[in-house]
Amino acid sequence: KNEVEQSPQNLTAQEGEFITINCSYSVGISALHWLQQHPGGGIVSLFMLSSGKKKHGRLIATINIQEKHSSLHITASHPRDSAVYICAVTHNDMRFGAGTRLTVKP
Amino acid sequence: DAGVTQSPTHLIKTRGQQVTLRCSPISGHKSVSWYQQVLGQGPQFIFQYYEKEERGRGNFPDRFSARQFPNYSSELNVNALLLGDSALYLCASSSWEPDRAPGPYNEQFFGPGTRLTVL
Repeated sequence: KNEVEQSPQNLTAQEGEFITINCSYSVGISALHWLQQHPGGGIVSLFMLSSGKKKHGRLIATINIQEKHSSLHITASHPRDSAVYICAVTHNDMRFGAGTRLTVKP
Repeated sequence: DAGVTQSPTHLIKTRGQQVTLRCSPISGHKSVSWYQQVLGQGPQFIFQYYEKEERGRGNFPDRFSARQFPNYSSELNVNALLLGDSALYLCASSSWEPDRAPGPYNEQFFGPGTRLTVL
């Protein structure tokens, strides 16, 4: 079993919909990261969390340390949000989930 | 200020050959990590280097090796290439330092990757 599990694997939404991607992990962590990967491979760090909640524009990330669970929310989704979203945790090294492929249709 | 850079962008090799991938970190970052991302999967940790020393190693065979230079740039070498080595190789840098409590400097900044195809 992967130490970092994401759901769903694939997600298709209509423009404007509220989107939630979930991440569960099974190891002790010092931080949890949400990353965005566009076609071609480039990875951009969206959030790094160790507790609570962070917001940046239309993106919100939350983490529950006790439950070992994090969520990434996208409000008012837009086709340009289409990408793979990856949850990763910092343990002794960095462990990644398999990613959630999001497609937002106009 | 330039971000993390990697070269080459794409590379095609045949089985049994050797390959060297290069990475230049963000200025001021002393920690460089390497990851392998096979198509359809999340990245897998290969190595972390800090101040020219290996600080972490993932579950990869000895065919994989790396080094870091005094200017903090890094090379990843893969010998005796196998078809299964075909992947996107990502480099990331951070301002991580050992013996320091976890904090914002854990944040890693990724390069664009080198896509390696082994035929």
